[in-house]
Amino acid sequence: EPEVTQTPSHQVTQMGQEVILRCVPISNHLYFYWYRQILGQKVEFLVSFYNNEISEKSEIFDDQFSVERPDGSNFTLKIRSTKLEDSAMYFCASSEATTSRPDEQFFGPGTRLTVL
Amino acid sequence: RKEVEQDPGPFNVPEGATVAFNCTYSNSASQSFFWYRQDCRKEPKLLMSVYSSGNEDGRFTAQLNRASQYISLLIRDSKLSDSATYLCVVKTGTASKLTFGTGTRLQVTL
Repeated sequence: EPEVTQTPSHQVTQMGQEVILRCVPISNHLYFYWYRQILGQKVEFLVSFYNNEISEKSEIFDDQFSVERPDGSNFTLKIRSTKLEDSAMYFCASSEATTSRPDEQFFGPGTRLTVL
Repeated sequence: RKEVEQDPGPFNVPEGATVAFNCTYSNSASQSFFWYRQDCRKEPKLLMSVYSSGNEDGRFTAQLNRASQYISLLIRDSKLSDSATYLCVVKTGTASKLTFGTGTRLQVTL
């Protein structure tokens, strides 16, 4: 069964450094998302991406964050200057958005980001 | 009021028991509803979409009450492997984002 994949599984970085989290969505999916989950808290939406542009973003997704689909398979989340509070699990998701299953989003295994 | 509200639990039930989880949502414009399952430090996995007519998938039954803005999940004949956190998830209007509840933890014991 097709799956969303993410790399790396764990990223440790120093405060102020840039990180890039990578995702390969399910191949026939058209919508891509990033969510994050701080330890012990709920899953929070960051951004959605469709047709090579951001379709929606949350208040969390400020100027320090950016997303890109550099080729036909990868979808990346960049954090320009990491802060301690960016430490979280970051999940990539994708959806097919067909008429029969318009909203079902499938999540990757996540990247655990630790900012020191 | 929280957008999606769930009882955090934990619910401790013996194997074979029937257990029900409830969830309320605040935005009456919400259109799509889901139950996801999340194991400790893992990704949310889609358990089932929730349709207005209610739907069943094996031991799992989901119900939606739009008038009361209430969603439920019933698990029959609980298995040890059902132990997880169950996330109530809502999509509102034309927004593409999913809004998650904090989850209800289920522990099934021998």
